[in-house]
Amino acid sequence: EAQVTQNPRYLITVTGKKLTVTCSQNMNHEYMSWYRQDPGLGLRQIYYSMNVEVTDKGDVPEGYKVSRKEKRNFPLILESPSPNQTSLYFCASSTTGQYNYGYTFGSGTRLTVV
Amino acid sequence: EDKVVQSPLSLVVHEGDTVTLNCSYEVTNFRSLLWYKQEKKAPTFLFMLTSSGIEKKSGRLSSILDKKELFSILNITATQTGDSAVYLCAVRNYGGATNKLIFGTGTLLAVQP
Repeated sequence: EAQVTQNPRYLITVTGKKLTVTCSQNMNHEYMSWYRQDPGLGLRQIYYSMNVEVTDKGDVPEGYKVSRKEKRNFPLILESPSPNQTSLYFCASSTTGQYNYGYTFGSGTRLTVV
Repeated sequence: EDKVVQSPLSLVVHEGDTVTLNCSYEVTNFRSLLWYKQEKKAPTFLFMLTSSGIEKKSGRLSSILDKKELFSILNITATQTGDSAVYLCAVRNYGGATNKLIFGTGTLLAVQP
């Protein structure tokens, strides 16, 4: 089944403790992206990657890092999480072709930083 | 700055009602507009619109785009409780990261029995 897999689904952590949220897709998509979703603010892009070893900042990249060493994986790293990073996070992937029909989303990771 | 605005923010209807959700946008180099449905999980794709005036239809849902007035509507007829969700509108443009989707904040639809 074609899908984007995120782990974990839920995470509670303490301020300053490094964490990684994993994302993997099995559709051979070139493009992958991370979004965070907050009430009243909608989905905002954190980072994206056009292909292996090609990453760039989205609209809200502060406090986050990413890497794209393999085409299928795009982990999101919070080196020193803070409470303002409490949010619902989505990984998404897509092709980059002309007939791209938008993103396939992962199931989401609900992160709470205390 | 590119932006997508959805209205209303929330809506409560009864089963069988027809609803219209609105999405207006201001983006440079518009490419396409997409609608997603989000229940208590990841958004799922509904429609992609690229041309004005051509209605996309899937069962009781339909959508149309007006590129002159920069808006789209999503219609749901004969609503059911299973239609309760947040409906997201997103726009893709040609500039910069060509696959970036700019999302509105969504419309929360609650369908009561």
